[in-house]
Amino acid sequence: NAGVTQTPKFQVLKTGQSMTLQCAQDMNHEYMSWYRQDPGMGLRLIHYSVGAGITDQGEVPNGYNVSRSTTEDFPLRLLSAAPSQTSVYFCASTTHRGLDYGYTFGSGTRLTVV
Amino acid sequence: ELKVEQNPLFLSMQEGKNYTIYCNYSTTSDRLYWYRQDPGKSLESLFVLLSNGAVKQEGRLMASLDTKARLSTLHITAAVHDLSATYFCAVVDISGTYKYIFGTGTRLKVLA
Repeated sequence: NAGVTQTPKFQVLKTGQSMTLQCAQDMNHEYMSWYRQDPGMGLRLIHYSVGAGITDQGEVPNGYNVSRSTTEDFPLRLLSAAPSQTSVYFCASTTHRGLDYGYTFGSGTRLTVV
Repeated sequence: ELKVEQNPLFLSMQEGKNYTIYCNYSTTSDRLYWYRQDPGKSLESLFVLLSNGAVKQEGRLMASLDTKARLSTLHITAAVHDLSATYFCAVVDISGTYKYIFGTGTRLKVLA
């Protein structure tokens, strides 16, 4: 089924560990983003990409890296996990041309850092 | 910097009543989006508003956009329990960054 696939769905990390959250879409969407969702704070933009080879910082980029080597994939790397990064992470994609459509969201990754 | 504010943050209402959720944003934009999120689930797109004066309706929900006032509303008519969810608005910064920023969400609970 066409859509946005996030893996893993759940993850527990120890402080200081690194990991990569995977995001892939098969809709040929140019625009992809990563958000974190914390209680009472809505969704906050971490990084986004308007196309392969192009990435930019969002509202809360510190502690995270991204790359966009292909249109389909947009992985999010946590460099050295901290308890403050405990959150639910969502990847989303849409067409870039005029942003005339809403996002398609992945199912989310629930991350706990202990 | 683009800021998006929603109010109220929490809304508890009786079935059959009407209510409006407000979404204000701080910079010029002509694109506004509404999403719904059920507890423990991901977000789904409800409405895309692409111009000043745009109005979209589906079922008991109607969304509108006033770009001059930098305001969008989501109106709920004759609420039913199935509408209980968290509703988010989002705005794209068209000044050049094309950042897609969400509001803090409105948690709606419809009481039978």
